[in-house]
Amino acid sequence: GQNIDQPTEMTATEGAIVQINCTYQTSGFNGLFWYQQHAGEAPTFLSYNVLDGLEEKGRFSSFLSRSKGYSYLLLKELQMKDSASYLCAVINYNQGGKLIFGQGTELSVKP
Amino acid sequence: AAGVIQSPRHLIKEKRETATLKCYPIPRHDTVYWYQQGPGQDPQFLISFYEKMQSDKGSIPDRFSAQQFSDYHSELNMSSLELGDSALYFCASSLGSSGRAHEQYFGPGTRLTVT
Repeated sequence: GQNIDQPTEMTATEGAIVQINCTYQTSGFNGLFWYQQHAGEAPTFLSYNVLDGLEEKGRFSSFLSRSKGYSYLLLKELQMKDSASYLCAVINYNQGGKLIFGQGTELSVKP
Repeated sequence: AAGVIQSPRHLIKEKRETATLKCYPIPRHDTVYWYQQGPGQDPQFLISFYEKMQSDKGSIPDRFSAQQFSDYHSELNMSSLELGDSALYFCASSLGSSGRAHEQYFGPGTRLTVT
């Protein structure tokens, strides 16, 4: 079966650091994505991990451990505009390359 | 840079009517994916096409059908609409034949409201 878990919501303070965790159990794995989605808008690509380790891109970093079925998205120097839903998604090329999404984590950044 | 285009952006239909959603992928992209996102839900995969052939099928109702045309645009046809079909419908495209096939770019979505 396919199971992707992430916290439903998180709250953090402007300027702080927040870590959003994602665990997955899927029948196949060819990579893990993080997307940012503002309400009513399309998901926008943040990061892609296929090998274990940390990928850093500006204020955003993403980590993957395939043996543990675990990933996290780290957001530094939080800004108010970072308030959004963050979606963890797994891709499986044996299933046509579709993305299987988690429920998303609603992040609220407070002043 | 050109992005994925979806039309219409908003659509209001009544129960039992039909709707057609259109998706124009990024130029040279040969793979199209359709996702449905209900209120407060994560996107759910419906169906995908690679080089005009269906490549995978997800939780798409039998009342829905889709195809990819020779110019790679895709249409999602929805019949006998139900209230539960109200959702955001996203199309994503990628260059399936390359090593960067994982890079799926999402369109702005079509918001379908069934009344």
